[in-house]
Amino acid sequence: DAGITQSPRHKVTETGTPVTLRCHQTENHRYMYWYRQDPGHGLRLIHYSYGVKDTDKGEVSDGYSVSRSKTEDFLLTLESATSSQTSVYFCAITPSGRGDEQFFGPGTRLTVL
Amino acid sequence: DAKTTQPPSMDCAEGRAANLPCNHSTISGNEYVYWYRQIHSQGPQYIIHGLKNNETNEMASLIITEDRKSSTLILPHATLRDTAVYYCAAGNNRKLIWGLGTSLAVNP
Repeated sequence: DAGITQSPRHKVTETGTPVTLRCHQTENHRYMYWYRQDPGHGLRLIHYSYGVKDTDKGEVSDGYSVSRSKTEDFLLTLESATSSQTSVYFCAITPSGRGDEQFFGPGTRLTVL
Repeated sequence: DAKTTQPPSMDCAEGRAANLPCNHSTISGNEYVYWYRQIHSQGPQYIIHGLKNNETNEMASLIITEDRKSSTLILPHATLRDTAVYYCAAGNNRKLIWGLGTSLAVNP
């Protein structure tokens, strides 16, 4: 357990509504990531952060934005949710000195109707 | 970015070695190979990683071919609790490209 929590754990929303998912870590790790996991596609990186206010895009960043105003929190926002964004979202961190090893949170299941 | 390919499923008898292959023929020289596993709907769990040399830890061994185009994760004595989806991923600098995973069933 790398001290990662995600909230909410489950959410159902409607198309066109904004949604924000939160990833919270308790150990001041520098690197944080957001992934989505879908059948037939595996895990795909959405965005990642390498420090407060420092973020970069992953391979499936369209339709998503992120913010990191504090070390411990990494927020993923869907400005206007679409049904194609129905997925399980995982947050991950890399502890300092652990290369690219990533430790994952419990996930958020998002359903967009 | 390297792409990884894995068989969709495999079976293994309890107590025997499980050998899970991964093809990453497009991997570049500075990209690492990582293995994770996912049990049910939990977040993936790190197992092992390597660049060129074979690696071993308390969970598994990783064998990387000399040309680095493929690798094999070895669980030396599989137990029922090793039933999971195993993912091979390749990359570096915080960006990993993940395969679709191999669903390993360990049978009694």
